Amino acid sequence: DGGITQSPKYLFRKEGQNVTLSCEQNLNHDAMYWYRQDPGQGLRLIYYSQIVNDFQKGDIAEGYSVSREKKESFPLTVTSAQKNPTAFYLCASSKGGLWNTEAFFGQGTRLTVV
Amino acid sequence: GENVEQHPSTLSVQEGDSAVIKCTYSDSASNYFPWYKQELGKRPQLIIDIRSNVGEKKDQRIAVTLNKTAKHFSLHITETQPEDSAVYFCAATLSTSGTYKYIFGTGTRLKVLA
Repeated sequence: DGGITQSPKYLFRKEGQNVTLSCEQNLNHDAMYWYRQDPGQGLRLIYYSQIVNDFQKGDIAEGYSVSREKKESFPLTVTSAQKNPTAFYLCASSKGGLWNTEAFFGQGTRLTVV
Repeated sequence: GENVEQHPSTLSVQEGDSAVIKCTYSDSASNYFPWYKQELGKRPQLIIDIRSNVGEKKDQRIAVTLNKTAKHFSLHITETQPEDSAVYFCAATLSTSGTYKYIFGTGTRLKVLA
């Protein structure tokens, strides 16, 4: 079954702790993205990657880090430096290429800081 | 930086009426414009898209129009049904130096009243 998978679906973190959100895709897509979704603010880009071992900051990268060691995987770490981490996080992937195409989304991870 | 404005933020229509959602993008280099539908608690899913070399595209009850000169694009839903109720996001895809990113609007919550 092809697709993009995020885990876990729900995550609780204590203040001051780092936490890593998983994103895996078996679509053979080159490009992967992380978005944060807050009510009334749409989808805001955190980080994106076009190829393995390369990634770029999005609009709200502060307090987050990523890695792209494998084409299939793009984990996001929410660090203690992120002041307001409670949110719904969405990972996406796309083929990339000269004419860009549809981005496919994972089912999301809802992170709550307690 | 790149920006996509989306209006209205909420829209209520009677079943059977039409709904129109409008977006404006800032970067004239954007070349791909997808629309996503997100039902409550679920992942965004593509419903229609349009490329910069096309002015209009239709798929059954859904259509999208693009005005490159004005940097506007719109989603039109005709004969609305209760199952059309969801949050709709527009996006503009910007390709620069081989990197691609999707910039999303803030979303429109559509309510179709039976």
